[in-house]
Amino acid sequence: NAGVTQTPKFQVLKTGQSMTLQCAQDMNHEYMSWYRQDPGMGLRLIHYSVGAGITDQGEVPNGYNVSRSTTEDFPLRLLSAAPSQTSVYFCASTRDRGQDGYTFGSGTRLTVV
Amino acid sequence: AQSVAQPEDQVNVAEGNPLTVKCTYSVSGNPYLFWYVQYPNRGLQFLLKYITGDNLVKGSYGFEAEFNKSQTSFHLKKPSALVSDSALYFCAVRDSKAGGFKTIFGAGTRLFVKA
Repeated sequence: NAGVTQTPKFQVLKTGQSMTLQCAQDMNHEYMSWYRQDPGMGLRLIHYSVGAGITDQGEVPNGYNVSRSTTEDFPLRLLSAAPSQTSVYFCASTRDRGQDGYTFGSGTRLTVV
Repeated sequence: AQSVAQPEDQVNVAEGNPLTVKCTYSVSGNPYLFWYVQYPNRGLQFLLKYITGDNLVKGSYGFEAEFNKSQTSFHLKKPSALVSDSALYFCAVRDSKAGGFKTIFGAGTRLFVKA
């Protein structure tokens, strides 16, 4: 049982490039989220999804797009990378809307130069 | 809007002593509260949660947390700290009134346990 799998683990982008961070879970979890982690700021919610075809914005959605075509996959797209998007990105999923904790992926460290 | 505050950037404690990591929250409905731990260069791991019922909840690795509704707090505790407890700890909240899924995290508290 792999849990939540994120790819790639590391990525360097040039300003203005686009890319997709992949997230897949094999636990049949309905609820998935993307967070970014920055020093001193904790984890900030970018986008989340309550099921296939349903997504919503979190605290810091600008510059990012998401889609949820299947229960398993929840990719995060950076449209035009900026140095301010240098961060560690975590994908997380949970079975229950309110009462279960998250299972987190191992993260993607992104550097934008 | 929901929010979480962890007032201490860092907590230092000697091995064998009790530890407390503080968390306060703000939600409009009933809170669902969580603690997570992050070891160096690792993802986050779920420690424990409060949903309803007994105000003292127990979790993984000997940790427990006390929910205090009047003080809107959910402090993480352990009776006897280990060096291996040194890590970054995050408190998180979901607002049951707002649909119960959008989860907001605090800024984190770094715990150092000295041998």
